[in-house]
Amino acid sequence: KQEVTQIPAALSVPEGENLVLNCSFTDSAIYNLQWFRQDPGKGLTSLLLIQSSQREQTSGRLNASLDKSSGRSTLYIAASQPGDSATYLCAVDYGNKLVFGAGTILRVKS
Amino acid sequence: DGGITQSPKYLFRKEGQNVTLSCEQNLNHDAMYWYRQDPGQGLRLIYYSQIVNDFQKGDIAEGYSVSREKKESFPLTVTSAQKNPTAFYLCASRTGSEQYFGPGTRLTVT
Repeated sequence: KQEVTQIPAALSVPEGENLVLNCSFTDSAIYNLQWFRQDPGKGLTSLLLIQSSQREQTSGRLNASLDKSSGRSTLYIAASQPGDSATYLCAVDYGNKLVFGAGTILRVKS
Repeated sequence: DGGITQSPKYLFRKEGQNVTLSCEQNLNHDAMYWYRQDPGQGLRLIYYSQIVNDFQKGDIAEGYSVSREKKESFPLTVTSAQKNPTAFYLCASRTGSEQYFGPGTRLTVT
């Protein structure tokens, strides 16, 4: 069964801290992996997409890595800001569908 | 502006009534998806459609139905057979490797 797990479930940090969100998946036969952000009551916004042949992707203060053989991805957020507060979802693409983790709820305190 | 629209944002129904959620996209994407999100859980796939007049069941299709008569539209009907219909419903479309999400409809059934 294809399962995606995200750790931690929730995280509260002071502004300015660097932080790491973790995602693990059971089936390594992936096409790609995508990180999304979700604000309360809203849809999902794509942050980064890593193809299965790539090791990492960067966008501004965000860096996502992928280790397909071990079934892991991390999302690194540098110099966190209160505006980063949201739920972060990891989704693994198996070709015909995305399998989502339950998300990490991030709160950045000012 | 290209994007995905879902209406209404909030929907209230009495138990035993069927209800249809709207999803429209002007991105010219062939593939469209419906997901359900419950508190503390990741998104779960209900139905998806790769092309007009064709659709497939996802992981939790029981109690739901869809149609795909036009490329732009992929409505979801929540029938009275769905045991726990209260949830946040998200529609998405896809081009290449990336999925794009609508703002969601929160359905409450009492």
